[in-house]
Amino acid sequence: TQLLEQSPQFLSIQEGENLTVYCNSSSVFSSLQWYRQEPGEGPVLLVTVVTGGEVKKLKRLTFQFGDARKDSSLHITAAQPGDTGLYLCAGPNAGGTSYGKLTFGQGTILTVHP
Amino acid sequence: ETGVTQTPRHLVMGMTNKKSLKCEQHLGHNAMYWYKQSAKKPLELMFVYNFKEQTENNSVPSRFSPECPNSSHLFLHLHTLQPEDSALYLCASSQIWRYSPLHFGNGTRLTVT
Repeated sequence: TQLLEQSPQFLSIQEGENLTVYCNSSSVFSSLQWYRQEPGEGPVLLVTVVTGGEVKKLKRLTFQFGDARKDSSLHITAAQPGDTGLYLCAGPNAGGTSYGKLTFGQGTILTVHP
Repeated sequence: ETGVTQTPRHLVMGMTNKKSLKCEQHLGHNAMYWYKQSAKKPLELMFVYNFKEQTENNSVPSRFSPECPNSSHLFLHLHTLQPEDSALYLCASSQIWRYSPLHFGNGTRLTVT
């Protein structure tokens, strides 16, 4: 069974601080996705990383896929209250085609205080 | 209307009731999914449909019965549920190609009393 472990589970910071969220597994994933979920809404895709060592940037968010494709990190620079939400990493289930059938981490709840 | 729409947004039902959750996608996707989101547990895949055909049942109890009449609509029929089935039920859709992201609806918050 593939598992994705996210840390920390909860993060409460002040506006302007930097933070990093980690997503780790003992299994190799062909790709990993990061989603953000706001209260009362479904998760929304932020990024997909597919190559070991890959780094992707989305404004103040930087995503990295580990060289061995077993882990990923999300770094936010100068966090803003609008970054508040639940951050989820997800990877395709082993076997079969790599779409939609995802294993999710338990999530990191981020709260950014003004 | 665009995206993935789920109704109702909230549902309270007794253990002996029968109810249905509805999902509709306007994205032209060919795959649809039901995921369950419980407190303190990761999102769990329940069912997958590709081109209206069920391709995965992730060991879900028979009190949950999915239906996919066409590639735009997905239902989850509920009967004789247990209190531990209370959760947020999320519908999603995607294209059927590698790395295709999931597009989620806003979910149905189900409470079983």
